[in-house]
Amino acid sequence: GAVVSQHPSRVICKSGTSVKIECRSLDFQATTMFWYRQFPKQSLMLMATSNEGSKATYEQGVEKDKFLINHASLTLSTLTVTSAHPEDSSFYICSARLAGGRRETQYFGPGTRLLVL
Amino acid sequence: QKEVEQDPGPLSVPEGAIVSLNCTYSNSAFQYFMWYRQYSRKGPELLMYTYSSGNKEDGRFTAQVDKSSKYISLFIRDSQPSDSATYLCAMIRNAGGTSYGKLTFGQGTILTVHP
Repeated sequence: GAVVSQHPSRVICKSGTSVKIECRSLDFQATTMFWYRQFPKQSLMLMATSNEGSKATYEQGVEKDKFLINHASLTLSTLTVTSAHPEDSSFYICSARLAGGRRETQYFGPGTRLLVL
Repeated sequence: QKEVEQDPGPLSVPEGAIVSLNCTYSNSAFQYFMWYRQYSRKGPELLMYTYSSGNKEDGRFTAQVDKSSKYISLFIRDSQPSDSATYLCAMIRNAGGTSYGKLTFGQGTILTVHP
């Protein structure tokens, strides 16, 4: 089956630093990747939709200057949390849709747990 | 009001029980309905998906969609301890453009199946 990886799986950083999270589709090409945030005991909230070669589309209330998304290739999207603060501590999950794939077919990564001290 | 409502539980059942998980939604534009399973500190994995109303069965899992009531269900037969996880319902609108394929999740129900 299609595999999506995320790196790092866990990161701890000091307040004010920037953190980059990578999302890779390992065995398929993904024209679209999605970034979600999940707080403890809460559901996944879509942050942005990333399309290869174009600017990401952010959901209402998500600061695009704080959460920088780059989707430079068909297998890699990155999310950079700039000037991270403790309230940014969360579980960040990406998903990838196969190029030309059905809208309901998304493959999720294992997630990245971010802790900002 | 949230677009998708799901009772967070927790739900605890004995091994072998039939589990019923449910979600309600308010937006009639939702056409695709999914159930995901998420183990602790892992990403969700797709269990079932259904387009529009009807039933779908896959092994011990049955998904039901009732669009007239805006209500979807997931049934797990002969539940096993390995089924212990958080179950998330999710939906997609029948829309294109920037809304194409966007998932709206329920809160998730925490299920524990004890031996």
